[in-house]
Amino acid sequence: SQQGEEDPQALSIQEGENATMNCSYKTSINNLQWYRQNSGRGLVHLILIRSNEREKHSGRLRVTLDTSKKSSSLLITASRAADTASYFCATDTSGNTPLVFGKGTRLSVIA
Amino acid sequence: DGGITQSPKYLFRKEGQNVTLSCEQNLNHDAMYWYRQDPGQGLRLIYYSQIVNDFQKGDIAEGYSVSREKKESFPLTVTSAQKNPTAFYLCASSISRNTGELFFGEGSRLTVL
Repeated sequence: SQQGEEDPQALSIQEGENATMNCSYKTSINNLQWYRQNSGRGLVHLILIRSNEREKHSGRLRVTLDTSKKSSSLLITASRAADTASYFCATDTSGNTPLVFGKGTRLSVIA
Repeated sequence: DGGITQSPKYLFRKEGQNVTLSCEQNLNHDAMYWYRQDPGQGLRLIYYSQIVNDFQKGDIAEGYSVSREKKESFPLTVTSAQKNPTAFYLCASSISRNTGELFFGEGSRLTVL
């Protein structure tokens, strides 16, 4: 069952630019999380935003959540070549079901 | 250092063979998960376990089996009944089912020859 859907599927930017990725989901959530995956590696947790929060920051990351539109965005400011990775949103719905992941956005940051 | 260890990192299997992927964690987490990832796809849940000696099927459990005899270990067996087993397999854990963040291993890539 696919809950989150990231947009765009792929994004290519120059170093120093900002990168914005979006996630839309279908049902009510307890929280929404963003993860990063370097090629051929495991996922790493970036940030969690709860359903009663609208914005959260962590270093160069800014996440927003609009529950009325069932959408979230991840902004990476002043991108670096090392930010090149795939980024996934994952939703935690009420009940006992585990996290459901989207298909991800592949970000390429060109030096 | 605490973390999740998956082994082997690469595995080749002939058709008709069962293979077992290992997942061990020393984080003292109650919940553990197995996900499958195909190229260009997100993660799909195979099985998960919230406590020892208990586990539940995920979205794509057919052709897979698991056990949870110890808190630290959650091995995944890919059986010959799995028709398309070539994929990247990821194991994860969380403090409990209701605690948000998942911690992932580095993955195991299975190729069927």
